[in-house]
Amino acid sequence: NAGVTQTPKFQVLKTGQSMTLQCAQDMNHEYMSWYRQDPGMGLRLIHYSVGAGITDQGEVPNGYNVSRSTTEDFPLRLLSAAPSQTSVYFCATLTGSGYNEQFFGPGTRLTVL
Amino acid sequence: RKEVEQDPGPFNVPEGATVAFNCTYSNSASQSFFWYRQDCRKEPKLLMSVYSSGNEDGRFTAQLNRASQYISLLIRDSKLSDSATYLCVVNTGNQFYFGTGTSLTVIP
Repeated sequence: NAGVTQTPKFQVLKTGQSMTLQCAQDMNHEYMSWYRQDPGMGLRLIHYSVGAGITDQGEVPNGYNVSRSTTEDFPLRLLSAAPSQTSVYFCATLTGSGYNEQFFGPGTRLTVL
Repeated sequence: RKEVEQDPGPFNVPEGATVAFNCTYSNSASQSFFWYRQDCRKEPKLLMSVYSSGNEDGRFTAQLNRASQYISLLIRDSKLSDSATYLCVVNTGNQFYFGTGTSLTVIP
């Protein structure tokens, strides 16, 4: 089992460009989420999904869109990249309740120039 | 006010030392609590869940005080391999809130 995979590992964008960060899981977990990690800020939740067809906003959703058409995939779209979106992005999954372990992907390092 | 607050450290301790990390959370409705470990440039991984009665896993002991909204992690007999950043995590509803992390370096 691959667990949680993220692509790409690294990306450089110019201001105003759009792109999609991919997240896939093969654990059949219902809950998937996207975080960004910035120095001194910890991980902050961008969007999450409790199952296919259901998404909701986290702490810092502005500038990002998500969709969840399948259990396996949860892509994160940057509509018009800004330097403030330079960060490390982690996708995570969870099965069952919030009492359980989250499994994280290896992260995508994004730089917006 | 931040949902979760941690002392960022850094903590530099010799091998064999005992070190304690603390964390406070702001929402009394929070339901579950965790410590995650994150190595440099890697993803976070679960170290242990934190239960109201306190729990131990080998050299690691976690405590939760719901009245004070306070979580702690104690590491005994520190090893070089314990060097990492330790993240306090709180679950409220469908959302998880992370502290900024406490950096630990264990020195030979």
